[in-house]
Amino acid sequence: DGGITQSPKYLFRKEGQNVTLSCEQNLNHDAMYWYRQDPGQGLRLIYYSQIVNDFQKGDIAEGYSVSREKKESFPLTVTSAQKNPTAFYLCASNPLDSNYGYTFGSGTRLTVV
Amino acid sequence: KQEVTQIPAALSVPEGENLVLNCSFTDSAIYNLQWFRQDPGKGLTSLLLIQSSQREQTSGRLNASLDKSSGRSTLYIAASQPGDSATYLCAVPNAGGTSYGKLTFGQGTILTVHP
Repeated sequence: DGGITQSPKYLFRKEGQNVTLSCEQNLNHDAMYWYRQDPGQGLRLIYYSQIVNDFQKGDIAEGYSVSREKKESFPLTVTSAQKNPTAFYLCASNPLDSNYGYTFGSGTRLTVV
Repeated sequence: KQEVTQIPAALSVPEGENLVLNCSFTDSAIYNLQWFRQDPGKGLTSLLLIQSSQREQTSGRLNASLDKSSGRSTLYIAASQPGDSATYLCAVPNAGGTSYGKLTFGQGTILTVHP
């Protein structure tokens, strides 16, 4: 079955560490997105990519970085510059066709310890 | 800037009731609107995608309507069951420009269906 795989499901980060969240899709979708979800704040867009080797900042990109070297993969790195990284991170994809909706992964919960 | 609002923020109903969740958006220039369900600690599951040219879309006990001109959508759940308990989110993609494809979400409606 086609879908989006996020790993790991749970991730713990020490102060000052960089960590990378994985997102892989086998849907052949052009666009991929990273959202952050915090209680009471809804979903906020971190970064998105509409084509390989190109990506754009979303609303809360500071302290995060991404790459898009392959169509199937869009990893998110949470750097030490992100002061409050504890959150639920969701990856999504879309074929950039308005006839189709968005598909989301199962999420990664990141906790700073 | 598109803004999406969902009412009510929370809803608790007894099993078997029919219920309506509301979603409103400020910019009517949308291509489509998508309803999602989220269980605690899980990702988003797509329920219904309704195109801007459509008035309704149905899947099982779920029916979504769209009134683009008034900036409103409703999700109707018939004969609710305890398994319907979840957070329901509506979202619209930006229609154009450099932000094409970005989703704007409502804050969600937390639904509890008790036996």
